[in-house]
Amino acid sequence: EVQLVESGGGLVQPGGSLKLSCATSGLTFSGSAIHWVRQASAKGLEWIGRIRSKGNNYATAYAASLKGRFTISRDDSKNTAYLQMNSLKNEDTAVYYCTRIGTTVNGLDVWGQGTTVTVSS
Amino acid sequence: SYELTQPPSVSVSPGQTASITCSGDKLGDKFVCWYQQKPGQSPVLVIYEDSKRPSGIPERFAGSNSANTATLTISGTQPLDEADYHCQAWDSSTAIFGGGTKLTVL
Repeated sequence: EVQLVESGGGLVQPGGSLKLSCATSGLTFSGSAIHWVRQASAKGLEWIGRIRSKGNNYATAYAASLKGRFTISRDDSKNTAYLQMNSLKNEDTAVYYCTRIGTTVNGLDVWGQGTTVTVSS
Repeated sequence: SYELTQPPSVSVSPGQTASITCSGDKLGDKFVCWYQQKPGQSPVLVIYEDSKRPSGIPERFAGSNSANTATLTISGTQPLDEADYHCQAWDSSTAIFGGGTKLTVL
């Protein structure tokens, strides 16, 4: 069974930084692209960005509105992806999910349970 | 930037057919996915590539996409189908989500 588990969420002050982790199991992590998506309370889903596999040069892409503050990385030896968030703002308060494109399904077919980030003074 | 527009809410009676739309410029030229999300849960993929169902998704879920509108259709809607539904498409390697539609079954 493919599983994605986020961690690292919490309370952070405006202007602060936080690094989220996405630990995976049951998939060939090294060959997988990992995406991050967030959802503010009672709002829709917002795509943050993705990182591709080594075979695709670990290429990253980000939502234009977040580029420059958020960075996605991965450690294939740990089957884990990361989301580094800097210069956090109140509006970054949300549940953060990691997810992946399916191997036989062209969609985001497995999602983690999410981790909550609260930006507040 | 590319945008997808969904109605905020749709209501349907049990056993009837629910239709949820997702609009965007030339959306028919892109593949659309649909995700179901129940309160306090993570999204679940119910349709990909406009009309394909992942394993385990009931046949009552169907999708279509043409011109500027994609549609998720739920036939014989059941109370357990009450949820938020999000459409998603790709635009230049960027995933775009619609604002989500709350489906109420009453």
